[in-house]
Amino acid sequence: KNEVEQSPQNLTAQEGEFITINCSYSVGISALHWLQQHPGGGIVSLFMLSSGKKKHGRLIATINIQEKHSSLHITASHPRDSAVYICAVPSRGQGNLIFGKGTKLSVKP
Amino acid sequence: DTEVTQTPKHLVMGMTNKKSLKCEQHMGHRAMYWYKQKAKKPPELMFVYSYEKLSINESVPSRFSPECPNSSLLNLHLHALQPEDSALYLCASSQFSILFTKNIQYFGAGTRLSVL
Repeated sequence: KNEVEQSPQNLTAQEGEFITINCSYSVGISALHWLQQHPGGGIVSLFMLSSGKKKHGRLIATINIQEKHSSLHITASHPRDSAVYICAVPSRGQGNLIFGKGTKLSVKP
Repeated sequence: DTEVTQTPKHLVMGMTNKKSLKCEQHMGHRAMYWYKQKAKKPPELMFVYSYEKLSINESVPSRFSPECPNSSLLNLHLHALQPEDSALYLCASSQFSILFTKNIQYFGAGTRLSVL
């Protein structure tokens, strides 16, 4: 079974700061997911990536398959980015996800 | 339409009640999922339906009973729950079957369940 580790668990930043959240996993995968969960529950898929780098607005996700490591970056952070960010990988041979414990981000104005 | 709709948003029930949670998607997705999420924890997978057949049951107690009446609808029937079952119940769907490992999951907003 794949183990997914995220760091840090909690992160507080000032508005405008550059933010990095890290994710490492133990077993080779076909794709890695970054998800966002706001207070109140709803989860949104931000990225699915298999290699290299993806960018969407102020969010950038990178993955290094050899090192089994991915990072999520937020540029020019804003209080509305405050949420829990979750890294997830597919369960071995199946499409259901194994979730990391999440990183709670608070961006202060 | 990329929406997964869950009803109700909130539910309070006693331990002797029977209730149902409903999840609906009209994206033509072939896999649908139920997750349970306790506060400050990641979601835990409960059930997966792939092409309307139960594909994964993560050893969930029988007081939780899933049902997939058609490809757009997923229900979770609740009976004789315990207070520790209080949690956020999330539904998700993905385009391809559970065997495809590059599925993006689309989540509903969840049903917040309190068992008294």
